[in-house]
Amino acid sequence: AQTVTQSQPEMSVQEAETVTLSCTYDTSESDYYLFWYKQPPSRQMILVIRQEAYKQQNATENRFSVNFQKAAKSFSLKISDSQLGDAAMYFCAYESNNDMRFGAGTRLTVKP
Amino acid sequence: SQTIHQWPATLVQPVGSPLSLECTVEGTSNPNLYWYRQAAGRGLQLLFYSVGIGQISSEVPQNLSASRPQDRQFILSSKKLLLSDSGFYLCAWSPGQRNQPQHFGDGTRLSIL
Repeated sequence: AQTVTQSQPEMSVQEAETVTLSCTYDTSESDYYLFWYKQPPSRQMILVIRQEAYKQQNATENRFSVNFQKAAKSFSLKISDSQLGDAAMYFCAYESNNDMRFGAGTRLTVKP
Repeated sequence: SQTIHQWPATLVQPVGSPLSLECTVEGTSNPNLYWYRQAAGRGLQLLFYSVGIGQISSEVPQNLSASRPQDRQFILSSKKLLLSDSGFYLCAWSPGQRNQPQHFGDGTRLSIL
């Protein structure tokens, strides 16, 4: 069974600095997608970034980028120039054949 | 553009009462539909997903059930709620193609007394 592990229950970062959130996953599939979702206090789930497993190039969305290491089954999220609005729970997710699995989440605090 | 509506936003129910949470999607056809539960401070647990009308896959055996009476309508039900059913329930949809991101509703906070 596919599993997603986020080993950091909580992280904090100073405003304007960079933080990296870790995620590892376990799968025997070769075709899958990976996602990072953000859940602010409003509890709405917001897609931050996605990565296709067949692409070697790391995905980037403005201040958000990933470090995708397929052989190591690692998918970390880097947030650059952190802003107060980045404070939220961040969930790593894996999807293959309509089966999506989420990690337990990392709570990110941004200090002014 | 596509939108997803989920209601009610908050629900307080006594133990043993029935449950019906509704989710509808607009602006797309034949979406994949999902129900998740999120316990306090925890990640998301997939409960049910559906790739078409009348097609329901259950991930976790429990006293909940799901139905898809129409293409863009997904209903989560229970005949008798348990205390352990308390949580935050999220509905989501994705395009019918494989490996597409899911888009979530605003959620329902369910409290069982």
